[in-house]
Amino acid sequence: DADVTQTPRNRITKTGKRIMLECSQTKGHDRMYWYRQDPGLGLRLIYYSFDVKDINKGEISDGYSVSRQAQAKFSLSLESAIPNQTALYFCATSEQAGTVKYFGPGTRLTVL
Amino acid sequence: GDSVTQMEGPVTLSEEAFLTINCTYTATGYPSLFWYVQYPGEGLQLLLKATKADDKGSNKGFEATYRKETTSFHLEKGSVQVSDSAVYFCALSQLQGGSEKLVFGKGMKLTVNP
Repeated sequence: DADVTQTPRNRITKTGKRIMLECSQTKGHDRMYWYRQDPGLGLRLIYYSFDVKDINKGEISDGYSVSRQAQAKFSLSLESAIPNQTALYFCATSEQAGTVKYFGPGTRLTVL
Repeated sequence: GDSVTQMEGPVTLSEEAFLTINCTYTATGYPSLFWYVQYPGEGLQLLLKATKADDKGSNKGFEATYRKETTSFHLEKGSVQVSDSAVYFCALSQLQGGSEKLVFGKGMKLTVNP
């Protein structure tokens, strides 16, 4: 079984809808991250969490919110989706700062 | 601020060709350097890493050496295979004020033809 799982893997939605992307991990890591990948732009950090009580904004947090329900679960919400949020979204975990990140398989989100 | 610049491609090679993907970085301190690979339809996974100057990371026939004097971490493989077709990301990680800053390059798509 995969260490980091994401649901759904693909989602098509309409402008203005609320969307939640979920991430679960079995690695026992405290640190979890949400990234967005756009062609030609690499990965950009949306939010990150160092433990259940710690949530931090990344470089592109506007229009997004997160919830760390448990050590193993970190969800990303788009309160009112817009077309320029169409992208590939990755969840990741790491054991400590500066160490390897383990990525989920990604969620491809399309906002019409 | 910290940044990573890498070849963007796309690049197409024939099987058994030599591969070099250039990566240079800008950082105020002493970052750790990584190469991640993303195979079609999958998430990123670590290919190799180096945590200090002159370290060489290696995995699956790929190598990269942390060159502080040229601020580079170029990825090389002597003989690529079709299965190496993927997108390759160079990244740096640095601790700043107790928090981590992780910066990715834009990625380079490699296609290897038989």
